[in-house]
Amino acid sequence: EPEVTQTPSHQVTQMGQEVILRCVPISNHLYFYWYRQILGQKVEFLVSFYNNEISEKSEIFDDQFSVERPDGSNFTLKIRSTKLEDSAMYFCASRDRGQYGYTFGSGTRLTVV
Amino acid sequence: RKEVEQDPGPFNVPEGATVAFNCTYSNSASQSFFWYRQDCRKEPKLLMSVYSSGNEDGRFTAQLNRASQYISLLIRDSKLSDSATYLCVALAGNTGKLIFGQGTTLQVKP
Repeated sequence: EPEVTQTPSHQVTQMGQEVILRCVPISNHLYFYWYRQILGQKVEFLVSFYNNEISEKSEIFDDQFSVERPDGSNFTLKIRSTKLEDSAMYFCASRDRGQYGYTFGSGTRLTVV
Repeated sequence: RKEVEQDPGPFNVPEGATVAFNCTYSNSASQSFFWYRQDCRKEPKLLMSVYSSGNEDGRFTAQLNRASQYISLLIRDSKLSDSATYLCVALAGNTGKLIFGQGTTLQVKP
């Protein structure tokens, strides 16, 4: 079964540092997403990406966040200057046209210290 | 008001029990709804879509009541392996954004 692959599985970074979270969506999928889940809280939408541009972003996705699909296979989330409150599990997801059944990656646990 | 609201539980039930989870949503424009399952510190996985006519998948039955903006999930003959958090999810807008409830935790005990 095709998978969405995320790396690394766990990243520890110092406050103020930049981090890049990487995702390889399913190859024929067209829509890409990032979600996050702070420990003990609900899964929250960050951003959707289609046709090489952001189609929607949440209030959480401020100027410190950016996404990129640099080479047609990877989909990255960059946090420019991490804060303690950015500590969370970050999930990448993708889906095909017309399908609302997402496939989620296994997540990257980001710990900001 | 939260967009998707669930009772967080936990629901502690014996094996073989029938358990029901409920969920309400606030955005009447939401068109599609899902139940996802999330195991501890893992990614959400689609359990089933929810239709107004009701749909069943083995021991699981989901129901949508648009008039009441209410969604339910029924699990029959609970297994130990059903222990997880069940997420009620609404599809919002036309970008495919998912709105998650906080989840209901189920613990099935021997």
